[in-house]
Amino acid sequence: EAQVTQNPRYLITVTGKKLTVTCSQNMNHEYMSWYRQDPGLGLRQIYYSMNVEVTDKGDVPEGYKVSRKEKRNFPLILESPSPNQTSLYFCASISLQSGRRNYGYTFGSGTRLTVV
Amino acid sequence: AQSVTQLGSHVSVSEGALVLLRCNYSSSVPPYLFWYVQYPNQGLQLLLKYTTGATLVKGINGFEAEFKKSETSFHLTKPSAHMSDAAEYFCAVSDPEGFQKLVFGTGTRLLVSP
Repeated sequence: EAQVTQNPRYLITVTGKKLTVTCSQNMNHEYMSWYRQDPGLGLRQIYYSMNVEVTDKGDVPEGYKVSRKEKRNFPLILESPSPNQTSLYFCASISLQSGRRNYGYTFGSGTRLTVV
Repeated sequence: AQSVTQLGSHVSVSEGALVLLRCNYSSSVPPYLFWYVQYPNQGLQLLLKYTTGATLVKGINGFEAEFKKSETSFHLTKPSAHMSDAAEYFCAVSDPEGFQKLVFGTGTRLLVSP
């Protein structure tokens, strides 16, 4: 089954304790992206990657890091989490090949992060 | 820069009534437009999308939306609401050239009463 898999689904952590949220897709998509969802703000893009070793900032990158060492994986790293990073996080992927773009994005199931 | 405005953070309807969720966009180029639904404690599911061609787009679960370029709108409708339609709905826009970035609206929560 074509899917984007995020782990963990739920995470409670303390301020300053480094954490990683994993994202993996099995569709050979070039493009992957992280979004955070907050009430009243919708989804905002954190980082994205056009392909292996190619990453760039989205609209709200502060406090986050990403890496793209393999095509299928795009982990989100919080080096020193703070309470304002408490949010619902989504990973998404899409093919950049012409003729496949119209298939649209595939989203993961989300990771609900609480930083206390 | 592209943007999306969803009018009404909450919309309440009775079961069987018409559902209308409003979405207006801003884009300097003809956009691709999407509606996503999020059920409680779940991820995002694509309801429908407009890329090119017919401006009236039909999606899953009886929803449809019409792209109106002159009004820069992409409102979502369903003739008869079901209790199972209660969810949060997001409108999103992307640039066909920079297609990869989705810009989302702030969402509309649909409440359906018996």
